[in-house]
Amino acid sequence: NAGVMQNPRHLVRRRGQEARLRCSPMKGHSHVYWYRQLPEEGLKFMVYLQKENIIDESGMPKERFSAEFPKEGPSILRIQQVVRGDSAAYFCASSPPAGVRAGVHEQYFGPGTRLTVT
Amino acid sequence: AQTVTQSQPEMSVQEAETVTLSCTYDTSESNYYLFWYKQPPSRQMILVIRQEAYKQQNATENRFSVNFQKAAKSFSLKISDSQLGDTAMYFCAFMNPYGGSQGNLIFGKGTKLSVKP
Repeated sequence: NAGVMQNPRHLVRRRGQEARLRCSPMKGHSHVYWYRQLPEEGLKFMVYLQKENIIDESGMPKERFSAEFPKEGPSILRIQQVVRGDSAAYFCASSPPAGVRAGVHEQYFGPGTRLTVT
Repeated sequence: AQTVTQSQPEMSVQEAETVTLSCTYDTSESNYYLFWYKQPPSRQMILVIRQEAYKQQNATENRFSVNFQKAAKSFSLKISDSQLGDTAMYFCAFMNPYGGSQGNLIFGKGTKLSVKP
């Protein structure tokens, strides 16, 4: 049973370029969360998605950042015109749909994508 | 807004001994979940243990147990018989799945635990 997959694991972008981070949730999971971890910090919530819907994007910067979770395929976190301050580790987590008793409210994390902006 | 505080940035323990990591949180909710996650040098986030606020019994998972004090809003993690593989950052996290936050996790800043041989 594959866990949460994220790719790439490492991504280097120059200032002004676009970064695309991908997340495939665990099989049977329909909820996806994105978190950002700055150096020496805990994880900070960015956005919560279900298939084809953004449920909560209260932690997402208003500009340059967007996220989607299409009907088919992985969830994508997109950062346009990256700046040095975007350098961080970005984690995706997934959880099963409501009503599934086992693992309710537990989020399972991917290995993260470390973004470096030069 | 909910907050999570871990007051110990770093701790160390000798192998085979017991260590307790502290965590306090602030919320006005009565139903919520608390978690401890481990982040080893690989940076993978691993769920260690979870506690449901409506359960009075403290959760245990093998060598890991919690001391949940709801009135004090305290949620400490005890690691017994520490092993070298326990060396990692440990994050305490809060979740209110019933409120406006829609179930996202709120993390503390972490405690770096080193287990010494």
